[in-house]
Amino acid sequence: GDSVTQMEGPVTLSEEAFLTINCTYTATGYPSLFWYVQYPGEGLQLLLKATKADDKGSNKGFEATYRKETTSFHLEKGSVQVSDSAVYFCALYRGTNAGKSTFGDGTTLTVKP
Amino acid sequence: GAVVSQHPSWVICKSGTSVKIECRSLDFQATTMFWYRQFPKQSLMLMATSNEGSKATYEQGVEKDKFLINHASLTLSTLTVTSAHPEDSSFYICSANSANTGELFFGEGSRLTVL
Repeated sequence: GDSVTQMEGPVTLSEEAFLTINCTYTATGYPSLFWYVQYPGEGLQLLLKATKADDKGSNKGFEATYRKETTSFHLEKGSVQVSDSAVYFCALYRGTNAGKSTFGDGTTLTVKP
Repeated sequence: GAVVSQHPSWVICKSGTSVKIECRSLDFQATTMFWYRQFPKQSLMLMATSNEGSKATYEQGVEKDKFLINHASLTLSTLTVTSAHPEDSSFYICSANSANTGELFFGEGSRLTVL
């Protein structure tokens, strides 16, 4: 079945550091890939997405490229801020799994001033 | 983007009572909504898929009689935790997929504490 594996956390960085959170997936066909972010005490919200191979999703300085050859969708940001502290979830959607998405376990990021 | 709203944001109840959590899609119609439970270590557990006008589809290991799901309209799904016990204390989140694109819109979450 489908699966998503995320880099284990927690990740602690200093402000302005470079961020990478690794995400790899297993799925048949051509899934759409997503990064969701959850700020403390809130639900999740979409951060960025990519629907086909080599697409790059970007938002708020974050980027991720859909790499089919390595089945990866790593999240990157060149310079993190304290306000980026949150839990990040990688997810995939194939459209044939009764509409369900498959999520990774989440990675907690803490950015210190 | 589309908006999904949950209510209440937090609720405290006594053991043995039932609690209802509502999930509404405010600006779109959602034939399918999803209910999750989030544990303290942050992972999301899909509990069930709520289908408008039909029975919910529960994930393996989720008690149907414990977690009652009703999706009576295209904009409202409810989760009722029946005879709640302290081990049911958790953060419950709903989501909806607005146009079968795979993009999910999440509610704000509901923190349940059972005393």
